[in-house]
Amino acid sequence: KAGVTQTPRYLIKTRGQQVTLSCSPISGHRSVSWYQQTPGQGLQFLFEYFSETQRNKGNFPGRFSGRQFSNSRSEMNVSTLELGDSALYLCASSLFRTGNTEAFFGQGTRLTVV
Amino acid sequence: KNEVEQSPQNLTAQEGEFITINCSYSVGISALHWLQQHPGGGIVSLFMLSSGKKKHGRLIATINIQEKHSSLHITASHPRDSAVYICAVRWSSARQLTFGSGTQLTVLP
Repeated sequence: KAGVTQTPRYLIKTRGQQVTLSCSPISGHRSVSWYQQTPGQGLQFLFEYFSETQRNKGNFPGRFSGRQFSNSRSEMNVSTLELGDSALYLCASSLFRTGNTEAFFGQGTRLTVV
Repeated sequence: KNEVEQSPQNLTAQEGEFITINCSYSVGISALHWLQQHPGGGIVSLFMLSSGKKKHGRLIATINIQEKHSSLHITASHPRDSAVYICAVRWSSARQLTFGSGTQLTVLP
């Protein structure tokens, strides 16, 4: 059974550009959550999608957005990139939305903004 | 504010030593996760706990709900255990994971 797949693994973008990251969850998993990891702030929750609907959103500006498709694949978009957006972006998929459901993480996309 | 505290931040051990990493949290949770992150970034889920104790190979995780505390133990540590270990909780009142700051473990041969 394939794990969570994130593409691309690495990205270099220029300030002001926009970027789209992709996450394919484990087959059958309908919940996808996105997290940002930086050396200063650690891991922080961005948003969660379930059945193509955003269910929960973290404390990030509106430049960060996402969506989920009918096959549960999810994308996140960051517009007007800033240097501070340089981070490792991780997605995690879960079978259900209940509290004691295990989360499976992808390898992450490392975004560098120059 | 809901918080997750991990200790120690850094830990260096000799191969074969018994290792303990601690995690404390502030309010009620529905589950606690122990995660492992190697250089390069990918995160592996080691355990998910809501009560008691779990064991997988040389790894043992325990949780005390009343004391709001969990520990991750590694027996007979090996250099390949060198990684960042992260505690994450799912609060009873929220869906998303909140993470501790991580423990950088280095096991020397």
